[in-house]
Amino acid sequence: DAKTTQPNSMESNEEEPVHLPCNHSTISGTDYIHWYRQLPSQGPEYVIHGLTSNVNNRMASLAIAEDRKSSTLILHRATLRDAAVYYCILSPLAAGGTSYGKLTFGQGTILTVHP
Amino acid sequence: EAGVAQSPRYKIIEKRQSVAFWCNPISGHATLYWYQQILGQGPKLLIQFQNNGVVDDSQLPKDRFSAERLKGVDSTLKIQPAKLEDSAVYLCASRPRLAGDTNTGELFFGEGSRLTVL
Repeated sequence: DAKTTQPNSMESNEEEPVHLPCNHSTISGTDYIHWYRQLPSQGPEYVIHGLTSNVNNRMASLAIAEDRKSSTLILHRATLRDAAVYYCILSPLAAGGTSYGKLTFGQGTILTVHP
Repeated sequence: EAGVAQSPRYKIIEKRQSVAFWCNPISGHATLYWYQQILGQGPKLLIQFQNNGVVDDSQLPKDRFSAERLKGVDSTLKIQPAKLEDSAVYLCASRPRLAGDTNTGELFFGEGSRLTVL
């Protein structure tokens, strides 16, 4: 499995943008970049994923470098509820294209949001 | 839509005892996963089911852990006998078949079952 590197922790102030980086220099051409987050005492939840182009959804934006060796999860206006562990995971489409491969979680980035 | 249900939420046992966790995935999700999350670490995949067949159990400690998914719906994870290092949160997740624009193929996790082994 291709490996990702994330900072152990980051801090932000409420209502400010947050940029969470992820390095994946050994990414393969078929790997999708997935982001999940885990709020305290809850299971992880999906945030966003992409392959090559930048992606936006109601939760966040994903900016993918042109060489795909790094990506950045962007929370446009952090709230206290965004305090969580954020995981960046690489996973390709499985054979047949009906699902992605298994998700291998690393340590993630602990995001602290200050009021 | 109901989420992934897990029970019990908390369980305290002594070492060498046995324990079982139950998971009811989201209706229609063919793929089911069990993860183990030790405090301070990311979730670690234990086993993956596709319908009622095992796809990947390479990280399941088979001398003490077992899992089954009868009829391709509910699943149980059993530990027998438990060790101190099994203290963790056991997370169940399910995933739909990827279908174009109708879903993202994401994993949906339950709230987990927290096991403490004394």
